[in-house]
Amino acid sequence: DQQVKQNSPSLSVQEGRISILNCDYTNSMFDYFLWYKKYPAEGPTFLISISSIKDKNEDGRFTVFLNKSAKHLSLHIVPSQPGDSAVYFCAASKSRGSQGNLIFGKGTKLSVKP
Amino acid sequence: DVKVTQSSRYLVKRTGEKVFLECVQDMDHENMFWYRQDPGLGLRLIYFSYDVKMKEKGDIPEGYSVSREKKERFSLILESASTNQTSMYLCASSSLPGYTFGSGTRLTVV
Repeated sequence: DQQVKQNSPSLSVQEGRISILNCDYTNSMFDYFLWYKKYPAEGPTFLISISSIKDKNEDGRFTVFLNKSAKHLSLHIVPSQPGDSAVYFCAASKSRGSQGNLIFGKGTKLSVKP
Repeated sequence: DVKVTQSSRYLVKRTGEKVFLECVQDMDHENMFWYRQDPGLGLRLIYFSYDVKMKEKGDIPEGYSVSREKKERFSLILESASTNQTSMYLCASSSLPGYTFGSGTRLTVV
């Protein structure tokens, strides 16, 4: 049973526009959420995180929104750039930091077209 | 910055071979993980370790084993490689705010 779901396998966006990547989770015990970005032939790199005590976290062009009642989070990239083209993984944990195992979604492949 | 190093970027092995994938981290972290990534299946946890000589099964441990003799090194072992183990293998070390991943090993079993 998938606890973290990314229902869109792919997304295509024009350069300069907003990219919105979505993620749903089923386990109400999750209290920490992360987004990773992965280029081909490289390991995933941490992008941004959010704790369940917040509903928004922003870092430059990247903003993550958390709706706990809907068990939904989203990653907004504004403005999108061609270098943002990658696979984005949503991940969730029952505890922030090193003791909680991360559960990953299947990923969404973002293509930003010039 | 935490560095997680996987010894090989690309490997080609024959069916039935015993395969060792090595991972080293340089930040004295207790927790280390092995994932495999396959198209459409995302990242799936194979094994993890909370300390030296400790190991826990992840979601897909069948056909794999691990070794953690030293804190900085976590090895994934394919006892008898099969073609369905062709995949990208990713090692991670636990650090705040999240995991740090190695660059991955693309293993092809022929």
